[in-house]
Amino acid sequence: DAGVIQSPRHEVTEMGQEVTLRCKPISGHDYLFWYRQTMMRGLELLIYFNNNVPIDDSGMPEDRFSAKMPNASFSTLKIQPSEPRDSAVYFCASSSPPPTEAFFGQGTRLTVV
Amino acid sequence: AQKITQTQPGMFVQEKEAVTLDCTYDTSDPSYGLFWYKQPSSGEMIFLIYQGSYDQQNATEGRYSLNFQKARKSANLVISASQLGDSAMYFCAMREGLAAGNMLTFGGGTRLMVKP
Repeated sequence: DAGVIQSPRHEVTEMGQEVTLRCKPISGHDYLFWYRQTMMRGLELLIYFNNNVPIDDSGMPEDRFSAKMPNASFSTLKIQPSEPRDSAVYFCASSSPPPTEAFFGQGTRLTVV
Repeated sequence: AQKITQTQPGMFVQEKEAVTLDCTYDTSDPSYGLFWYKQPSSGEMIFLIYQGSYDQQNATEGRYSLNFQKARKSANLVISASQLGDSAMYFCAMREGLAAGNMLTFGGGTRLMVKP
């Protein structure tokens, strides 16, 4: 298996633009997680899905953020409109039911200017 | 209160020596899991080792071992025979319960630097 695949790896966009981050989880994994990493706040969970259904989105910072999982092999995290404070590394992770480890993608480094 | 605390922002270790990275946790759930991840300068998160709350023995994976002291709520990572490639950020993380899958709470990380 190729692991968790995220795209793009790097994204630079202007404030106010829509940004879409993409994730392909490991085949067979029931859980998918979106995390954000910043210097100020460290790694924080934004939202997670179980069997394509959003379970906990309490970490999504604002209504500008939305996430979808239309099928078991694809998820998106969208920011509209983007702001400079959204600049961060966004990770997608997937796992089977616990107790197992969660595998992370390479991350998307987002810069909003 | 912080759920995961890593008190060492940065550490140096001499190549080939062992090093211990500290992690304490806080939970009232009897079922939990503790994870360590490595993040090299390239940015990816690499899973290293896992310890379940009911595991009787300390977890080991190659040069990595987890010193699990349940009563003290600590889960320190021990890296034996450090290598230059071990220089990275190391994150301790916790999963509480089983219902939320592997939803993880992370500590602030420890930057390890291995000296030649």
